[in-house]
Amino acid sequence: AQKITQTQPGMFVQEKEAVTLDCTYDTSDPSYGLFWYKQPSSGEMIFLIYQGSYDQQNATEGRYSLNFQKARKSANLVISASQLGDSAMYFCAMSFGNEKLTFGTGTRLTIIP
Amino acid sequence: NAGVTQTPKFQVLKTGQSMTLQCAQDMNHEYMSWYRQDPGMGLRLIHYSVGAGITDQGEVPNGYNVSRSTTEDFPLRLLSAAPSQTSVYFCASSYGLSPNQPQHFGDGTRLSIL
Repeated sequence: AQKITQTQPGMFVQEKEAVTLDCTYDTSDPSYGLFWYKQPSSGEMIFLIYQGSYDQQNATEGRYSLNFQKARKSANLVISASQLGDSAMYFCAMSFGNEKLTFGTGTRLTIIP
Repeated sequence: NAGVTQTPKFQVLKTGQSMTLQCAQDMNHEYMSWYRQDPGMGLRLIHYSVGAGITDQGEVPNGYNVSRSTTEDFPLRLLSAAPSQTSVYFCASSYGLSPNQPQHFGDGTRLSIL
């Protein structure tokens, strides 16, 4: 069975600092995708970044990067130069060939001015 | 540029009532799905569809029905509402069946069952 684990229920980070949100996964399927979504207090789910299991390089999207360590089965999200608007819930998710998304329980990130 | 549209945004029901949560997308996406979000549990898949006329169960399908008569619409039906179905419901859609297609989410429906 596939499983996503986010071990940090909450994090407090000073504005302008970098932050790493942890995500580990468990699967025996060689083909999968890893996603990060942001959910601000308004409730919508915003897609941030994607990493494929066969991708050789770590994905980057602006201030977001995904630290993909396949052997360790980890897919941590790194946010550089954090901003107050980054305060939100962050979910790691995993998909497989049939596109079912399995979500972790999320990390609530609070940026402190 | 509507994307995924969910209606209603809020709903209060009494135990035993039935209702349909609507979901429509205008991106010609083949894949659509319904999730529920409960505190401390992330999002859990209820039902999904890989195309018109095809639906399948997800992780928590009991108490819910779906149908997919068109590519655009994927309604979720609560047959007899129970307090345990109080949750926030999200509809999502994406292209095709490859793992690298991010799902686009609607804004959610907040449902309370009294």
